Amino acid sequence: NAGVIQTPRHKVTGKGQEATLWCEPISGHSAVFWYRQTIVQGLEFLTYFRNQAPIDDSGMPKERFSAQMPNQSHSTLKIQSTQPQDSAVYLCASSLGGANTEVFFGRGTRLTVV
Amino acid sequence: GEKVEQHESTLSVREGDSAVINCTYTDTASSYFPWYKQEAGKSLHFVIDIRSNVDRKQSQRLIVLLDKKAKRFSLHITATQPEDSAIYFCAASTSNNRIFFGDGTQLVVKP
Repeated sequence: NAGVIQTPRHKVTGKGQEATLWCEPISGHSAVFWYRQTIVQGLEFLTYFRNQAPIDDSGMPKERFSAQMPNQSHSTLKIQSTQPQDSAVYLCASSLGGANTEVFFGRGTRLTVV
Repeated sequence: GEKVEQHESTLSVREGDSAVINCTYTDTASSYFPWYKQEAGKSLHFVIDIRSNVDRKQSQRLIVLLDKKAKRFSLHITATQPEDSAIYFCAASTSNNRIFFGDGTQLVVKP
């Protein structure tokens, strides 16, 4: 079990460019979460899929952020027209999907917008 | 929505002593309370959890207490070791699986 796999580990983009972050959840896990971690804001929930369907995207900034889960083995988080304030560690997590089940986190992608 | 407050931003203890991290939550519907550990430069690692049908859970040197009336829960680390040094996050979740995190407690265990 390789755990939740996130690629790339680090990404540097220029202001205004697009960034796509990838996540491979643990095999057999039906729930996938995206969080963002910064020193100032801490851990912020972004969005959540269950069985590939979007369940809750209330944490997603409305205009430039989007997330998809085209199949059960990967999810993507896309940020268009990146801004310096998007710089953060983006964490993907997965769980079996039942209520109150353990959530496993990936190592994150550190996004730096210059 | 749920709001989780973690009372200690930093905590320093001597090796062998106990460390206690306290958290409160606001949503009475929260029923699952996991704790995560984050070492420098690494991601979150699950350490222990408690569900609302019990008020105490122990796993080796870790004890979690839950007071549903006060909407308060705590992590007790007994016989601390230097490798316990990390940031600890408390969290709360309702049955919809969305987890709300506290701001983290930096625990330093001094030899």
